[in-house]
Amino acid sequence: DGGITQSPKYLFRKEGQNVTLSCEQNLNHDAMYWYRQDPGQGLRLIYYSQIVNDFQKGDIAEGYSVSREKKESFPLTVTSAQKNPTAFYLCASSTGGPGSYEQYFGPGTRLTVT
Amino acid sequence: GESVGLHLPTLSVQEGDNSIINCAYSNSASDYFIWYKQESGKGPQFIIDIRSNMDKRQGQRVTVLLNKTVKHLSLQIAATQPGDSAVYFCAEPGWGYQKVTFGTGTKLQVIP
Repeated sequence: DGGITQSPKYLFRKEGQNVTLSCEQNLNHDAMYWYRQDPGQGLRLIYYSQIVNDFQKGDIAEGYSVSREKKESFPLTVTSAQKNPTAFYLCASSTGGPGSYEQYFGPGTRLTVT
Repeated sequence: GESVGLHLPTLSVQEGDNSIINCAYSNSASDYFIWYKQESGKGPQFIIDIRSNMDKRQGQRVTVLLNKTVKHLSLQIAATQPGDSAVYFCAEPGWGYQKVTFGTGTKLQVIP
């Protein structure tokens, strides 16, 4: 089955620790995205990547870092510099070409930092 | 600045009735919109999209209407079912269609 997987579904960390969220896709999509969703809020873009070894900051990149070493993988690290890291994190991908606006989302990772 | 917003945070509908979810946008140059459905604890799923050269587009039990004059679009769900209970987002791809702006969302509650 083709799709996007995120792991783990739930993640708990102590304040001050970095944590890396996994996102893998086997859709052969060029573009990948990370969003953050808070209760009662829409999705806010953290980082996106249109091609391997390249990525751009989204609207709320501070305190986060990403890498794109492989086409199918786009891990997100939530650093200790992120002041309010507890949230629901969503990864998405799209073909990235002209006319390809639909984004396919993973199931999400709910991160709780205490 | 540019924004995509929704009029109502929660909509309660009787099972079998039609649902109408509204969305307003501010950028008159916007030419493409997408509706997503997000069930509790899951990622959003694409429902339907519409381009600015269209006023209406129909899918299976869903219809999207676009009124460019007042910068408003709506998602209509016919014969609403319990499985339609979710949060619905309108979204607008930005420059280069790589950055998508999502609205806050409307939570649809279906009353059995």
